[in-house]
Amino acid sequence: DAKTTQPTSMDCAEGRAANLPCNHSTISGNEYVYWYRQIHSQGPQYIIHGLKNNETNEMASLIITEDRKSSTLILPHATLRDTAVYYCIVRVGMNRDDKIIFGKGTRLHILP
Amino acid sequence: EPEVTQTPSHQVTQMGQEVILRCVPISNHLYFYWYRQILGQKVEFLVSFYNNEISEKSEIFDDQFSVERPDGSNFTLKIRSTKLEDSAMYFCASSDSPDRGMRSNQPQHFGDGTRLSIL
Repeated sequence: DAKTTQPTSMDCAEGRAANLPCNHSTISGNEYVYWYRQIHSQGPQYIIHGLKNNETNEMASLIITEDRKSSTLILPHATLRDTAVYYCIVRVGMNRDDKIIFGKGTRLHILP
Repeated sequence: EPEVTQTPSHQVTQMGQEVILRCVPISNHLYFYWYRQILGQKVEFLVSFYNNEISEKSEIFDDQFSVERPDGSNFTLKIRSTKLEDSAMYFCASSDSPDRGMRSNQPQHFGDGTRLSIL
């Protein structure tokens, strides 16, 4: 089972920041937090990942709380093309256990 | 940006027939994966593959399934005798792995999938 909890769905106005929360209270010290998204009819797309520190790339920012029990994915200026299901994933950190366990994710609707 | 490519995009097959789904992972990636997604359901792990052998497989990946890396660029999933319940989107993924062994923090990159329809 997925080790994360996410809201089922969220709405965000186009041009505003979309903040997607995720709870992962049982995360282990060597586990990373990954975010993927799945746009309709496409494969999962990698967005960002982090261990302890906040991370930023060209797509998004990832804020991880100090106790690492929760995180927030931030899309700074959401567009209609960001409408997708967003998956927060805790990646098991063992070399031999690389599979991704997907949950149901958050369905993000960007409203024009 | 390098991509994982999958062919065909849609495969229609009669029940009981064999089907081969093809994937070209990102060049120089060393780890390869297959996932599937039944319509309206979660993405499920099938199998991981490294160094020409299966690293891990799920309960779904029974003896009707097999994977192969026949050459330096392709990665295939074969279903020997398809069943109606095999109808799904099948996604291939690959990830990089530095020799330093920092495998756990390498993201997997996915293709856009093959829609398999069993009639």
